[in-house]
Amino acid sequence: DQQVKQNSPSLSVQEGRISILNCDYTNSMFDYFLWYKKYPAEGPTFLISISSIKDKNEDGRFTVFLNKSAKHLSLHIVPSQPGDSAVYFCAAKKANNDMRFGAGTRLTVKP
Amino acid sequence: DSGVTQTPKHLITATGQRVTLRCSPRSGDLSVYWYQQSLDQGLQFLIQYYNGEERAKGNILERFSAQQFPDLHSELNLSSLELGDSALYFCASSVAGSSSYNEQFFGPGTRLTVL
Repeated sequence: DQQVKQNSPSLSVQEGRISILNCDYTNSMFDYFLWYKKYPAEGPTFLISISSIKDKNEDGRFTVFLNKSAKHLSLHIVPSQPGDSAVYFCAAKKANNDMRFGAGTRLTVKP
Repeated sequence: DSGVTQTPKHLITATGQRVTLRCSPRSGDLSVYWYQQSLDQGLQFLIQYYNGEERAKGNILERFSAQQFPDLHSELNLSSLELGDSALYFCASSVAGSSSYNEQFFGPGTRLTVL
């Protein structure tokens, strides 16, 4: 069963504009949410995370927003750069370390 | 380079066979996680080991098993292979295995093709 969903398989934005990647989850037992970035032929790399007790976490150009009532989180990248082009995975973790990933969204930033 | 190594990089085998995937965690990391990524699928958590013991179990089939050795490397054994087992298998490691968040570092993956 798909507990973490990324409904947009791909997103294309212009360099310098904002990229917004969305993620929905169904299980209220998740206590931590993460975004991973993956380039071809490499493993995913951690990007940014947020605890379930917060609603926003910012790290440079990357901001993650969490809406617990809607079971929704989003990743904002401002400004987007061509090097940001990758597949972005949303992940949600339970207290027992069981982590569930979404199917990924392929972001393309056009120069 | 995450510091997590996986071998082999590619593996091609036939249905019904058995294979072993190997993972060496980052130096100092005690936890090892295995994930499967099938075509158009997200990463599916399979299993976690912490300091040699099974810590958490996800969507792992009974035909699959794993273990973590005293030197902390881990092996994922896949048996009675089916065409649908063709996927990328990732290993990740983290410092600890407690309930608090510990960043996981991923290896480059092993691509398994079952013909």
